[in-house]
Amino acid sequence: SQQGEEDPQALSIQEGENATMNCSYKTSINNLQWYRQNSGRGLVHLILIRSNEREKHSGRLRVTLDTSKKSSSLLITASRAADTASYFCATDQAGTALIFGKGTTLSVSS
Amino acid sequence: EAGVAQSPRYKIIEKRQSVAFWCNPISGHATLYWYQQILGQGPKLLIQFQNNGVVDDSQLPKDRFSAERLKGVDSTLKIQPAKLEDSAVYLCAIPRGSGAYNEQFFGPGTRLTVL
Repeated sequence: SQQGEEDPQALSIQEGENATMNCSYKTSINNLQWYRQNSGRGLVHLILIRSNEREKHSGRLRVTLDTSKKSSSLLITASRAADTASYFCATDQAGTALIFGKGTTLSVSS
Repeated sequence: EAGVAQSPRYKIIEKRQSVAFWCNPISGHATLYWYQQILGQGPKLLIQFQNNGVVDDSQLPKDRFSAERLKGVDSTLKIQPAKLEDSAVYLCAIPRGSGAYNEQFFGPGTRLTVL
């Protein structure tokens, strides 16, 4: 069963703009992770935020987590054409494998 | 850096035929995962191995799917017989880094088309 649900399903922006995508989940988690998937590099881990953290940064990525609302957001600043990909959130519960959402497809045009 | 090799990269078969996929983690890890990713969806776990043993196969359709881990390293996933709905990308994954937070490193996948 799928735990995370990303929103929006698809997002189109211009280079230089910021992209925000959201993830909602249903049950308590240990951590939440974001992955990117494109045809060139497959599925790649981007960033992880633990359940006791509220915000985390990595380069142009900013992730927030609100455990009271069971939601997370991924912000990509100053988007580039190379950011065009599908983005998935994945939740980790103790002792189980990752559960992925359906993903957000991001298209960045120059 | 961990690496995962998968073969073949693409496979096209007729329904009711059999097919097998291989996963070769370049660096040894006790844990290995197989995921199925249907077009437009996120990956879904099929089976998790710890060394040669199965930790979780609750979502593996056991009437047609089977998997094994050879000597705690390489793994094979087999479908017999295949159905149209098995068309998907099959991903193999291992823990990324120490694996303390269940971050995973994915192989390039095998894209299966069942006609």
